[in-house]
Amino acid sequence: ETGVTQTPRHLVMGMTNKKSLKCEQHLGHNAMYWYKQSAKKPLELMFVYNFKEQTENNSVPSRFSPECPNSSHLFLHLHTLQPEDSALYLCASSQEGGGDQETQYFGPGTRLLVL
Amino acid sequence: GNSVTQMEGPVTLSEEAFLTINCTYTATGYPSLFWYVQYPGEGLQLLLKATKADDKGSNKGFEATYRKETTSFHLEKGSVQVSDSAVYFCAFSGNTGKLIFGQGTTLQVKP
Repeated sequence: ETGVTQTPRHLVMGMTNKKSLKCEQHLGHNAMYWYKQSAKKPLELMFVYNFKEQTENNSVPSRFSPECPNSSHLFLHLHTLQPEDSALYLCASSQEGGGDQETQYFGPGTRLLVL
Repeated sequence: GNSVTQMEGPVTLSEEAFLTINCTYTATGYPSLFWYVQYPGEGLQLLLKATKADDKGSNKGFEATYRKETTSFHLEKGSVQVSDSAVYFCAFSGNTGKLIFGQGTTLQVKP
């Protein structure tokens, strides 16, 4: 148990559906991240939020829309996805400016299948 | 640019064998170095870290030493168990403070 939870753990959706992934951290951190993990590819950083402000968007298609309402919660809204978006989506958090600031703590991930 | 290179997997060992997973990095400055582990069906967990040259990170019998001269952070364990079967990721903190990951190395330990 790392203190970062993600729901749902598994999701199957059609290309015309709209769904959201949720991440919650119980560590008191001020930075949160979305990563995409596809088979046989390195982890891809998608978005970074520091103090609820988006500080990084790594050229992610607009069909992925992040939302960070507070420093404990992070959402990834999905719409009109493609089959190649099927992957494991990982959330992480860290404490920027603290002594352990470079260490990120990960949730268990949401396994997404787009049909 | 910044990058991490890990040895290709899968690595298959018998229980109690010695493990080495090589990791080298290309970075400016002196980043912190990490090993994360991902067990089947789970997210990444921090295994160990080292923040400066010659530091040795250790946890659960695993060790890695920060070698500045060879820009390496090889992971070792003296006697692996079946429960160590997982994917291991080497990473370092880039200039922007974000983690740069290697592609991961799958370890399979057979009884």
